[in-house]
Amino acid sequence: NAGVMQNPRHLVRRRGQEARLRCSPMKGHSHVYWYRQLPEEGLKFMVYLQKENIIDESGMPKERFSAEFPKEGPSILRIQQVVRGDSAAYFCASSPLLTGNTGELFFGEGSRLTVL
Amino acid sequence: SQQGEEDPQALSIQEGENATMNCSYKTSINNLQWYRQNSGRGLVHLILIRSNEREKHSGRLRVTLDTSKKSSSLLITASRAADTASYFCATTPNTDKLIFGTGTRLQVFP
Repeated sequence: NAGVMQNPRHLVRRRGQEARLRCSPMKGHSHVYWYRQLPEEGLKFMVYLQKENIIDESGMPKERFSAEFPKEGPSILRIQQVVRGDSAAYFCASSPLLTGNTGELFFGEGSRLTVL
Repeated sequence: SQQGEEDPQALSIQEGENATMNCSYKTSINNLQWYRQNSGRGLVHLILIRSNEREKHSGRLRVTLDTSKKSSSLLITASRAADTASYFCATTPNTDKLIFGTGTRLQVFP
């Protein structure tokens, strides 16, 4: 049973370009979470999605950032017109149920974005 | 905003010693979890303790929870060099998302 798969693992973009990060949750998981981590810091919640629904995007910047989890295919975190401050590791996690009930999240290995 | 704050930020010990990390949080919670992150890797779940539990064990790990003080501790006994990692507490403050603390970087010297 494959774990949470994220790609690309490393992505380099120039300022103003777009970054697309993909996440395939574990088989049978219908809840996806995206987190951002700056060097030497903890994870900051960005967005929580279920299939075709954004449940909570309170941690996501209002501009340039968007996320989706379509009926078919992986979840996508999209960052438009990237700036140097977007450089970070972006982690995706999945769970079969609401975290309040079962708790555990299963994490991918992350996508490391570097903006030149 | 951060829900949890770990203490200490960094901890260095020798193999065989015990490592204790503390976590304080701000609001009431459903449960509290501890995760581990090796350098450059994703997070791995270690243990979950529910708000009505006070202590839990898993192998060399012991977690305590004091809801009156809004704090938790993670004890790793008989540490090994392979325990070197960052450790994060995470809570679900009556919502469906997990909020992480700032982490403790543990270095275990052989």
